[in-house]
Amino acid sequence: AQTVTQSQPEMSVQEAETVTLSCTYDTSESDYYLFWYKQPPSRQMILVIRQEAYKQQNATENRFSVNFQKAAKSFSLKISDSQLGDAAMYFCALYMNYGGSQGNLIFGKGTKLSVKP
Amino acid sequence: EPEVTQTPSHQVTQMGQEVILRCVPISNHLYFYWYRQILGQKVEFLVSFYNNEISEKSEIFDDQFSVERPDGSNFTLKIRSTKLEDSAMYFCASRYKIKWPERSTEAFFGQGTRLTVV
Repeated sequence: AQTVTQSQPEMSVQEAETVTLSCTYDTSESDYYLFWYKQPPSRQMILVIRQEAYKQQNATENRFSVNFQKAAKSFSLKISDSQLGDAAMYFCALYMNYGGSQGNLIFGKGTKLSVKP
Repeated sequence: EPEVTQTPSHQVTQMGQEVILRCVPISNHLYFYWYRQILGQKVEFLVSFYNNEISEKSEIFDDQFSVERPDGSNFTLKIRSTKLEDSAMYFCASRYKIKWPERSTEAFFGQGTRLTVV
């Protein structure tokens, strides 16, 4: 069975500083995607960044980047130059991509990020 | 930008009553999902739907739950006899067609429906 583990229930960062959120996962498949979703107080799920397992290069989206370590099954999210609007719950999610899969997402328990002004 | 729309944003219902949560997925998407998030807990998969039938469901999705796509645009989740523990945020999501060996896209989520059972 696939699992996603986020070991940090809460994190705090000073505005303009950098913070890294951890995520580890477990799967026996070789072809999968990893995502970070942001859930602000409005509770909507917003995609932050995605990583295809077959790509060695770490994904980057503006201030957001990942450190994808496939052998270690680790997928951490780095937020640079943190802004007040980054305060939210962050979920790491795993999606399997194989023939016949209908592709439901497996989520971690989330990390609540606070940004201090 | 196309988006997934869910209605209502908040539903309050009495225990034992039936509720229908509605979702309008993105128009060219073919895979649809319902997820549930009990307050303070992680998001959990309920069911996926493709080609007018359930393709996968979790152990949470028991006989009190059902889904349908009645008119080709709406995607509904019905809870037949609500229980207190059904109180949660329910998210609808949709995904563009995925066909092996094509690469997938990410799932797009609606803003959620907060269901409160009293």
